[in-house]
Amino acid sequence: GEDVEQSLFLSVREGDSSVINCTYTDSSSTYLYWYKQEPGAGLQLLTYIFSNMDMKQDQRLTVLLNKKDKHLSLRIADTQTGDSAIYFCAGRSLVFGKGTRLSVIA
Amino acid sequence: GAVVSQHPSWVICKSGTSVKIECRSLDFQATTMFWYRQFPKQSLMLMATSNEGSKATYEQGVEKDKFLINHASLTLSTLTVTSAHPEDSSFYICSARDSGTSGRGVYNEQFFGPGTRLTVL
Repeated sequence: GEDVEQSLFLSVREGDSSVINCTYTDSSSTYLYWYKQEPGAGLQLLTYIFSNMDMKQDQRLTVLLNKKDKHLSLRIADTQTGDSAIYFCAGRSLVFGKGTRLSVIA
Repeated sequence: GAVVSQHPSWVICKSGTSVKIECRSLDFQATTMFWYRQFPKQSLMLMATSNEGSKATYEQGVEKDKFLINHASLTLSTLTVTSAHPEDSSFYICSARDSGTSGRGVYNEQFFGPGTRLTVL
C-alpha cells in the first residue's frame, strides 16, 4: 500500500518561514493535499496542487511538487502563532502521514 | 459551504455499552463518507469507507461487527461502536467526499467533521 512520510516536529519563530516536507509512494494521485488540524478539531483542507503542476502559491502558502522524487512541500511565509497546528499531506489514496506538528514561538 | 458536522462532540460511556456517532454533510451531497480513528499524537487511520445505499468497505484489521457503519442517505453516515471497551477510546473523525454539489470544484476533496472524542470507562 501507499506510504506517506513526514517529519514529526517543526519549530519556528514568529515571522519566519516554515517548510513542511512530505514524501509519498503513490504516483497516481490526481491531486495532492495539505490539511491542517488544530488541537481537538478535525482536519481542514489548507491547499492542494494538481499533479501536473510544480508549484502553487496561495497567499502565504506555497506548495512545491517534485513528481520525480515524489516529494511535496508546504511553505508558510511570515508564520504566525495561529499557524501552530498539525499538518498532514495526503493523496488520492487517503493515506495520511503521521503529520508534522508546527510550533510557532512568539 | 461544504460543512460536515459530527454528533456528539464527545461522549463518555461505560464498558459494554454501544455508542452511535453521526456524520452529516450539511450543504452538499456525499455519496462517499469515510471514518477515521486518531490516537493521541498519531496520524489518522482509515477505518472504513461508507457508500450510500451499500455496505461499507472496511480496512484490514477493523472489525466490521464491532464498528457498524450505516450510510442511509446522501447526507448522513453513522458509526456505531458496539460493546465498547476502554481500548476503543479514541478520537473518531469522519469525512465526506464532495460528489460535485459543493461548488468548490476540487476533485476528490474531502471535508472533515470536527471529530468525536470517545472515552470508555
